[in-house]
Amino acid sequence: DTEVTQTPKHLVMGMTNKKSLKCEQHMGHRAMYWYKQKAKKPPELMFVYSYEKLSINESVPSRFSPECPNSSLLNLHLHALQPEDSALYLCASSQEARDGYEQYFGPGTRLTVT
Amino acid sequence: QKEVEQNSGPLSVPEGAIASLNCTYSDRVSQSFFWYRQYSGKSPELIMSIYSNGDKEDGRFTAQLNKASQYVSLLIRDSQPSDSATYLCAVNMRYGQNFVFGPGTRLSVLP
Repeated sequence: DTEVTQTPKHLVMGMTNKKSLKCEQHMGHRAMYWYKQKAKKPPELMFVYSYEKLSINESVPSRFSPECPNSSLLNLHLHALQPEDSALYLCASSQEARDGYEQYFGPGTRLTVT
Repeated sequence: QKEVEQNSGPLSVPEGAIASLNCTYSDRVSQSFFWYRQYSGKSPELIMSIYSNGDKEDGRFTAQLNKASQYVSLLIRDSQPSDSATYLCAVNMRYGQNFVFGPGTRLSVLP
């Protein structure tokens, strides 16, 4: 089973709203990721959590706030976003396979900021 | 210099042909290499992983890795219209946590 789930599938929010994206995996993976993907571009890494601790923050603006409540859950809190933040937000998790790590993506949340 | 580069595309092949997708990377200590398929509006799907030099086959897909040349490729045999998608090359740069993606190659398989 390589399932990562994300909610909601779609989100429309105003620039003054506060919202959260949620991600869940029950594969026992110990690393979880948030990516942002704009149209016709590759996924762009935002945050990495390893063993529930933030290990990588790719200089993401503070209006994006990640949280890892436990090893299965990952949240992304959104506040005072800009229209240019509209994108597909992808959650992923990774596990160590026999020869290296493999990363699996959730279906994503399509975010529109108005 | 970009860390991971791919054919600029788009790449068009007729149904039944072999599609060849290429990827080069800059970090010589990279350990793991992956191909993802992404349909329009969907999330990336892992289709192949390769860790050692040589070929790895899975059904119609063959991944090839040459660490000396810092080159990884994906061959799709008997291409089908359902293979039409963007193919992303990804490289694992650092201790399993940081995956770097190439810009992707859009493949169109023409019936």
